[in-house]
Amino acid sequence: DQQVKQNSPSLSVQEGRISILNCDYTNSMFDYFLWYKKYPAEGPTFLISISSIKDKNEDGRFTVFLNKSAKHLSLHIVPSQPGDSAVYFCAASARNRDDKIIFGKGTRLHILP
Amino acid sequence: KAGVTQTPRYLIKTRGQQVTLSCSPISGHRSVSWYQQTPGQGLQFLFEYFSETQRNKGNFPGRFSGRQFSNSRSEMNVSTLELGDSALYLCASSQTTDAYYGYTFGSGTRLTVV
Repeated sequence: DQQVKQNSPSLSVQEGRISILNCDYTNSMFDYFLWYKKYPAEGPTFLISISSIKDKNEDGRFTVFLNKSAKHLSLHIVPSQPGDSAVYFCAASARNRDDKIIFGKGTRLHILP
Repeated sequence: KAGVTQTPRYLIKTRGQQVTLSCSPISGHRSVSWYQQTPGQGLQFLFEYFSETQRNKGNFPGRFSGRQFSNSRSEMNVSTLELGDSALYLCASSQTTDAYYGYTFGSGTRLTVV
C-alpha cells in the first residue's frame, strides 16, 4: 500500500518558468511532510519541510503548499534553473507514532534551456 | 564538517552470499536510518537506530539486519543474497529522531547481486 504517491514520473519545464511537483498521500496521521532532491550518484538532499498545521512554507525559490482536505502537497520552484534538473522525492512522517519517513517514488524534473 | 560516509561505494556479490555495508554518520548525529532505492520502488525504509537501539523497522525480510555502535557508526547486513537485493543502499543521519529538519544522506552503496 503506497501511502505517499508521486503520480508523475517525469516533468519538463522551460528554464525561468515555474516548476510544480505534486504529491498525494493517504494517511491522515502524517503530521509533517518533506521534499528531497537527488542527483545521480549522490544521496538525496533535504530541501524543505512543512508541518501539517501549516498550509504553506517558503524558502527562497522553493515553496511547499499543503492541502490537508485533499491530502495533497506540491512543491513550487520559481524561477526554474538548470541545476534544478534532478529527481524530487516527496516524503511524510507521523511523529510519535511509528514516525518512520515514507518516501514517494520520485519525479524526474528536466529543466529545458 | 564531514558528511555521511558510506563504504564501500560499489559491491558485486554472488547470489547466496552475505554482505555488510557500513555507514559513518555526521559527528554528533545519533540517529542513523537505512533505505533501499530501486528504480521501481523508490526509497524504501529498512530500519532506524538511535543510541545503539533499533527504533523502527520496515517491511523487509529477516535477512536484512543492522546494528549501531557506541560511536553511532552503523552497519547493515544482508544474508543469503537474492538477485532482487540489487539496489542502492542509502544511509541517513540526524541529531535526533525528529526528521522535520531533514536527514543528511550519504552517497550510498551500489550493490549488484549476480
